[in-house]
Amino acid sequence: GEDVEQSLFLSVREGDSSVINCTYTDSSSTYLYWYKQEPGAGLQLLTYIFSNMDMKQDQRLTVLLNKKDKHLSLRIADTQTGDSAIYFCAEFYTGTASKLTFGTGTRLQVTL
Amino acid sequence: EAQVTQNPRYLITVTGKKLTVTCSQNMNHEYMSWYRQDPGLGLRQIYYSMNVEVTDKGDVPEGYKVSRKEKRNFPLILESPSPNQTSLYFCASSLDLGSYNEQFFGPGTRLTVL
Repeated sequence: GEDVEQSLFLSVREGDSSVINCTYTDSSSTYLYWYKQEPGAGLQLLTYIFSNMDMKQDQRLTVLLNKKDKHLSLRIADTQTGDSAIYFCAEFYTGTASKLTFGTGTRLQVTL
Repeated sequence: EAQVTQNPRYLITVTGKKLTVTCSQNMNHEYMSWYRQDPGLGLRQIYYSMNVEVTDKGDVPEGYKVSRKEKRNFPLILESPSPNQTSLYFCASSLDLGSYNEQFFGPGTRLTVL
């Protein structure tokens, strides 16, 4: 079955880079996503990567995918206080039934 | 404005008292889903619906019911709530569940069962 794991907490200083990591178990995943949840709100799609890509860059965000190790990371450059949130990775799995599975979420705390 | 709405946003109830959390989307999406969010467990899917009158169990369906009589609405029903159903609930929708499709989330419903 599919399983997505993340570390629960990350603290960085404003201006530094943040790297949030995620591991997944299902090699048939086609899309991998990063969602952001701000306090008191629902999740919003931040970025995604197709499984045949190694890297995707979008302004301050860089997504790296190591398909061999089933490892996904999100790098946020020049982290700001507004980046403080919970970040969820998710994999879209196409097995016997298509399914989107979320990780446990990583709480990013940005300190001054 | 394209959105997913949930009501109520906050609810405190007692064990055994039936309740319904409503979910509505205005984007003509086929796929709708309910999740619960618990500390350290992330989001777990309760039920989902691929289209009108088509619903299926997710990972944690016990104690919940859903219906999809209309495309835009997907209510979550707790027939006899118990304290272990105290959680933060999210409804989500997407165009369908094929290939890349962004899921749009509602603002959440915080439920406390005493």
